[in-house]
Amino acid sequence: DIQMTQSPSSLSASVGDRVTITCRASQGISNYLAWYQQKPGKVPKLLIYGAYTLQSGVPSRFSGSGSGTDFTLTISSLQPEDVATYYCQRYNSAPFTFGPGTKVDIK
Amino acid sequence: EVQLLESGGGLVQPGGSLRLSCAASGFTFSSYAMSWVRQAPGKGLEWVSGISSSGGSTYYADSVKGRFTISRDSSRNTVYLQMNSLRAEDTAVYHCAKDRWGHSSSCDYWGQGTLVTVSS
Repeated sequence: DIQMTQSPSSLSASVGDRVTITCRASQGISNYLAWYQQKPGKVPKLLIYGAYTLQSGVPSRFSGSGSGTDFTLTISSLQPEDVATYYCQRYNSAPFTFGPGTKVDIK
Repeated sequence: EVQLLESGGGLVQPGGSLRLSCAASGFTFSSYAMSWVRQAPGKGLEWVSGISSSGGSTYYADSVKGRFTISRDSSRNTVYLQMNSLRAEDTAVYHCAKDRWGHSSSCDYWGQGTLVTVSS
């Protein structure tokens, strides 16, 4: 099966900072990659699908890029409400594996 | 408004069975694939199973293959997860999620989840 890794596992940044999270697939998955945000005590929220398409209603400070095996989620200007764990998920073929997550908090 | 309401969780002994249900509303249920995703306490998300809009294709994580069965009833707008031979490591909150298309893909709506605890 294709494995998903994320880096870093956690990060702490200041409000207004640019934050980048990386997701890597062990084999090529084209652009079948989604990003989710899960705030403490809440259900996951879809941010991006197709590697770079922003889900409706998601702030434009979130963006995604990449194709094949390497993907990034970027928050252009970190806000206090962005404190959460971020997960990537591949959906090119079953099983539709999630990455281990990246926890983001405010410095 | 899309709503997904899971039920059927609870405490079960190792080796036991449970059937989870997810009642969907607010969208054309028969047009979308559905998924189950679980999250063990303090852990990350684990995709468990998916079913296409027609029900003709089903998918499973290796960790549950042969023990869990996903199904759907479009007359009831409900998706099910039959869980047999339960193990301690199956303990988690189980979320039902709506896929964006008729085949398994990313999930744009999630239910609040139902807790399954496997313990003697």
